[in-house]
Amino acid sequence: GENVEQHPSTLSVQEGDSAVIKCTYSDSASNYFPWYKQELGKGPQLIIDIRSNVGEKKDQRIAVTLNKTAKHFSLHITETQPEDSAVYFCAVRVDQAGTALIFGKGTTLSVSS
Amino acid sequence: GAVVSQHPSRVICKSGTSVKIECRSLDFQATTMFWYRQFPKQSLMLMATSNEGSKATYEQGVEKDKFLINHASLTLSTLTVTSAHPEDSSFYICSAGPEKLFFGSGTQLSVL
Repeated sequence: GENVEQHPSTLSVQEGDSAVIKCTYSDSASNYFPWYKQELGKGPQLIIDIRSNVGEKKDQRIAVTLNKTAKHFSLHITETQPEDSAVYFCAVRVDQAGTALIFGKGTTLSVSS
Repeated sequence: GAVVSQHPSRVICKSGTSVKIECRSLDFQATTMFWYRQFPKQSLMLMATSNEGSKATYEQGVEKDKFLINHASLTLSTLTVTSAHPEDSSFYICSAGPEKLFFGSGTQLSVL
């Protein structure tokens, strides 16, 4: 089955710095790669996603890059703010109806002011 | 994005009782919903895939007789934890979506 590895497990940055979280996956059939942000006691919130036919996608301060050959994708957050502090999960999926997301172990991001 | 509503948000029960958690899609029809479990400071682990009008598909190691799933309509799936024990205490989250997957707010189950 699919195996998703996520690094680092914790990341501490100063406000205004950039943060990068990386995930690797094993199943070459996976073709949908979302990132979720989870705050304590809440459900995960979709923040950005990318499909395998695209190499990069950006939404304001957040971007995701995908290297399908190497089977890895990364989340980039620029100009970090204290409210970016949360747990971030990458996930992978074969993008077809009825297929679930498989998650990485998560990265706890702490942004200090 | 699509809205997934989950209730209750928190439940405390005695060991041996059953607890029902509801997951509703508010603005779309969901033929498939997913149930995840999350222990403190851990990732989301897929428990089962809920299919409208048919039996759920359970992941390996998840007891189908303990975690009963019913998906009787296109907007509602329920997860019932039967004869709950302290080791069932966890954060349960459902997910669904017309294209992308969105999550409910989760249910924190505490079994005393």
